[in-house]
Amino acid sequence: AQSVAQPEDQVNVAEGNPLTVKCTYSVSGNPYLFWYVQYPNRGLQFLLKYITGDNLVKGSYGFEAEFNKSQTSFHLKKPSALVSDSALYFCAVRRPFSGGYNKLIFGAGTRLAVHP
Amino acid sequence: GAVVSQHPSRVICKSGTSVKIECRSLDFQATTMFWYRQFPKKSLMLMATSNEGSKATYEQGVEKDKFLINHASLTLSTLTVTSAHPEDSSFYICSAPTSTNEQFFGPGTRLTVL
Repeated sequence: AQSVAQPEDQVNVAEGNPLTVKCTYSVSGNPYLFWYVQYPNRGLQFLLKYITGDNLVKGSYGFEAEFNKSQTSFHLKKPSALVSDSALYFCAVRRPFSGGYNKLIFGAGTRLAVHP
Repeated sequence: GAVVSQHPSRVICKSGTSVKIECRSLDFQATTMFWYRQFPKKSLMLMATSNEGSKATYEQGVEKDKFLINHASLTLSTLTVTSAHPEDSSFYICSAPTSTNEQFFGPGTRLTVL
């Protein structure tokens, strides 16, 4: 069965420090991987995705993520955190070539708190 | 990117009444839309897949008579919570994939049932 794991409920980082939000997945075949961010009482905003190619993917707001096939991970990173990055982050996976519009499977979410 | 809207953004209703939530794709057509439910500090739970011109596909454990979905046009899907009860209080989010299969999410609807 397909699944996504975000092992940390919350990540605390000081402003200006690098941040990492972890994600591991379990899916057959080569997955499409996504990161979304959610601010309070808002919908999800797309940050970045990996489909194929370079393992390091750059996305919105200075975020990037590294796809590691051997470790089945897709950790989200940013070199220097901002207080405004504080939000709820979701990792998601979609299995390719299944026909039609495929469902996204979401991780449980990780709350990022960036302290001044 | 593409824009998906939801209306209303917030609704408070009495127990036993029905509430309709609209999801619109504003600048693209969507033959499929997805409806999610999000509990406080929890992940998104896919409720159903809305299909334009045909019946919705519900996920296991979701009552189709409770959560009525209608996808009457290529830009509009509606979710009606029938005979709402306090346990139906939640944050409901829709999403729509574009022709390139990239999903865009609506801003969500906060439902509070008194």
